[in-house]
Amino acid sequence: EVQLLESGGGLVQPGGSLRLSCAASGFPLRSYAMGWVRQAPGQGLEWVSGISGSGANTYYAESVKGRFTISRDISKSTLYLQMNSLRAEDTAVYYCAKSLSSYGYFDYWGQGTLVTVSS
Amino acid sequence: DIQMTQSPSTLSASVGDRVTITCRASQSINNWLAWYQQKPGKAPNLLIYKASSLESGVPSRFSGSGSGTEFTLTISSLQPDDFATYYCHQYNTNTFGQGTKLEIK
Repeated sequence: EVQLLESGGGLVQPGGSLRLSCAASGFPLRSYAMGWVRQAPGQGLEWVSGISGSGANTYYAESVKGRFTISRDISKSTLYLQMNSLRAEDTAVYYCAKSLSSYGYFDYWGQGTLVTVSS
Repeated sequence: DIQMTQSPSTLSASVGDRVTITCRASQSINNWLAWYQQKPGKAPNLLIYKASSLESGVPSRFSGSGSGTEFTLTISSLQPDDFATYYCHQYNTNTFGQGTKLEIK
């Protein structure tokens, strides 16, 4: 059974950093693309970042480019999102999601982790 | 960037009704479109991919159609469990529609 479990969210001040983790099980992380999608309170879904199945290619939304970094550790079957220079508008629930390809639909989602950027 | 315009933003309907939600892309995305259902406090759940392919385990009352720039999600006979918010997702370059909240009339 595919499971995705995010962690690492919390309250952080503007300008601060946070690293989100997504523990994956039930499938080989090395064989699938993964992504992060966020949802601000009461708002819709926004794609944030993706990583190819090989891990060689990473992709970012313009709103986070240069501030966020996606990575993965195959040995730990874990996906990461390093978030730096956080802004109030980054406040959201962050979901990790599994995909069949770098630009593909998401067939499994984690339960999400809340990031709040506030002083 | 490819923009996705979803309509309506809110839809009131009754159990047993047939409902349709529309998503329009600002340029052609072939059939690289998915539909998700999201309930409050929960992660989205995949319903349809490649515009019209039903995800395994999803009830057959859900169907998708369209290609190019115009797409629809149809629920043939609403069930109580279907009242939720629905999002389209073009995965050519990754953009979501703004969502349609399906409410009980």
